[in-house]
Formats: sequence, C-alpha cells, structure tokens
Amino acid sequence: QKEVEQDPGPLSVPEGAIVSLNCTYSNSAFQYFMWYRQYSRKGPELLMYTYSSGNKEDGRFTAQVDKSSKYISLFIRDSQPSDSATYLCAMSRSGYQLIWGAGTKLIIKP
Amino acid sequence: EAGVVQSPRYKIIEKKQPVAFWCNPISGHNTLYWYLQNLGQGPELLIRYENEEAVDDSQLPKDRFSAERLKGVDSTLKIQPAELGDSAVYLCASSGPAGERYEQYFGPGTRLTVT
Repeated sequence: QKEVEQDPGPLSVPEGAIVSLNCTYSNSAFQYFMWYRQYSRKGPELLMYTYSSGNKEDGRFTAQVDKSSKYISLFIRDSQPSDSATYLCAMSRSGYQLIWGAGTKLIIKP
Repeated sequence: EAGVVQSPRYKIIEKKQPVAFWCNPISGHNTLYWYLQNLGQGPELLIRYENEEAVDDSQLPKDRFSAERLKGVDSTLKIQPAELGDSAVYLCASSGPAGERYEQYFGPGTRLTVT
C-alpha cells in the first residue's frame, strides 16, 4: 500500500462548479501538506501549503487537513476551464523529502 | 526572475547508450532536487543537493545513474547505460531558504524515450 493515495480520475465537472480533490495517507508523522498543479508538459507548481492541521484559503482555493482521519482536501470554487490540469498532493515530515500522490486529472467543461 | 531551466526538453536514445540532463536552478536557491516522473504518477526523488553536497541519494540507482553539482549551482544527471525502463520525465527542482523548503520550483522536465 502506498503512503499517499490519490484517485487518478479523470474528474470532469462543468464550469462554475465546486471541485473537491482528496488524498489519504498512512504516515502520522507527516506535518507538511502541499497541493501542486501540473499542466501538460510542464513541471508541478505549488498551489497551497498547510503546516499541521487546519484550513487555508487563497482566492478560489481552500486546503483542508484532517490529521485525525489522515485526509486532506483541496476545494476549488467557481471552477474555470483554465483550472483543467493534474492536481498532485504532496506530504512530508521534514519539508524536504516530499511523498507524492499519483495526481488527479481535472477537466473543467465550458 | 528566471525559473528553473532544463535541457534538453526531449531526448530519444537507444538502449545501452549514455544520456545526460542539465539543470540550472533559480538564482540563490541552495537546494536542488532531481526527480523522475512516470506517466500518471507523482514525482519520485532521485537525489537532493544542499549546495555541492548530495545529502539524500538513497533512491538513486547508483549502478547506472550519477549526478553532480559542481560549484553548487548547475547540476547534471547522467544515465549510463540507459535501459528501456528509464523512459520517463526527469524533473529538476530547487528551493530557497530552509523556512520555505516545502516550496519547490520545478523546471519543465526532460522527456526521455529509450528505444
């Protein structure tokens, strides 16, 4: 079993919908939780970062961490076609060695 | 500010041939990472450098892979000899101050095809 599990999708939703992306993990020592976005033929780029538990909001994006359930989420409000990409969760104990999910491919239909 | 630069972007070689990838990190970033990414998977760390020192190379297949970061700036990753299973995207990333080490900036990657 992988340390970080993420549904590969694809997840297809209409423009304007609220998107929910999730990851589960098994290592309770993880303290750093990140969401990266990766467009086709590009490298990943950091979207959201959370240390330990709690919620964090940045514009249309909200990241949630539930350490008791070992579950993290990324919500995208008012989704746009430009949000179509693969979303990767990543976690770490130290902040250096990131353990990655496989990524969820998101498609926003105009 | 220029991002992480990688070259070449694409490389096709025959198995058993050598290949090298080059990376120039963001100016001032002391930490440099090489990752391998297979289709439909997240990146897998191959090696991490702090300046010139390789501080985590536990996942680097040392029988055929080697890396160097002379002068603590540019880095080169080499495979010799390449195998069919090495076909993947090789990503380079860098990060800045220790307090922001979780924020890794990635280059566009080198897509390697071994035939």
